[in-house]
Amino acid sequence: ETGVTQTPRHLVMGMTNKKSLKCEQHLGHNAMYWYKQSAKKPLELMFVYNFKEQTENNSVPSRFSPECPNSSHLFLHLHTLQPEDSALYLCASSSPESSYNSPLHFGNGTRLTVT
Amino acid sequence: DQQVKQNSPSLSVQEGRISILNCDYTNSMFDYFLWYKKYPAEGPTFLISISSIKDKNEDGRFTVFLNKSAKHLSLHIVPSQPGDSAVYFCAASTSYGKLTFGQGTILTVHP
Repeated sequence: ETGVTQTPRHLVMGMTNKKSLKCEQHLGHNAMYWYKQSAKKPLELMFVYNFKEQTENNSVPSRFSPECPNSSHLFLHLHTLQPEDSALYLCASSSPESSYNSPLHFGNGTRLTVT
Repeated sequence: DQQVKQNSPSLSVQEGRISILNCDYTNSMFDYFLWYKKYPAEGPTFLISISSIKDKNEDGRFTVFLNKSAKHLSLHIVPSQPGDSAVYFCAASTSYGKLTFGQGTILTVHP
């Protein structure tokens, strides 16, 4: 049990579909993140939310739309994706009070395949 | 421009021996460094960290060394165990807290 739960674990979608990834954390953290991990590449930061406010958008295409309704939940809405968007999408949380050196706690990820 | 690099995609070590994973960085503003470990089908988990004011931090079998002048850090695991087989990510952050990850090194520890 990581304390950060992501659903679904696996998702296959067509380029015209709309789907959403969900993340929930039970650690009392106030910062939440979306990362993308493509094969043989570093983890890429996509979005950061602190106290439900988006504080970072790392030049992510608009076909990815995050939503953070409260400090415990984070969504990533997907629409009209491309095959190159196939990757492992990881959610993480941390404590922003000491975010400088507060380790991220990751979920187990959603393996996304776009066909 | 990749600011954190792990130049060895993989490392194979015999059980009981030392594993040394290396990481180089280019941004001199990085002042905090972390190692994460990832098993297949799981998310990365925090392993050990070091502040730039130190050159060594030890936690059980894991030791991280930082050489600021060379912009290089390494993770030593001794003795290595088969359960240590995983992907290891190096990460660095500035005082703003944004983490930059390396591409990972696959460690395999053979019994």
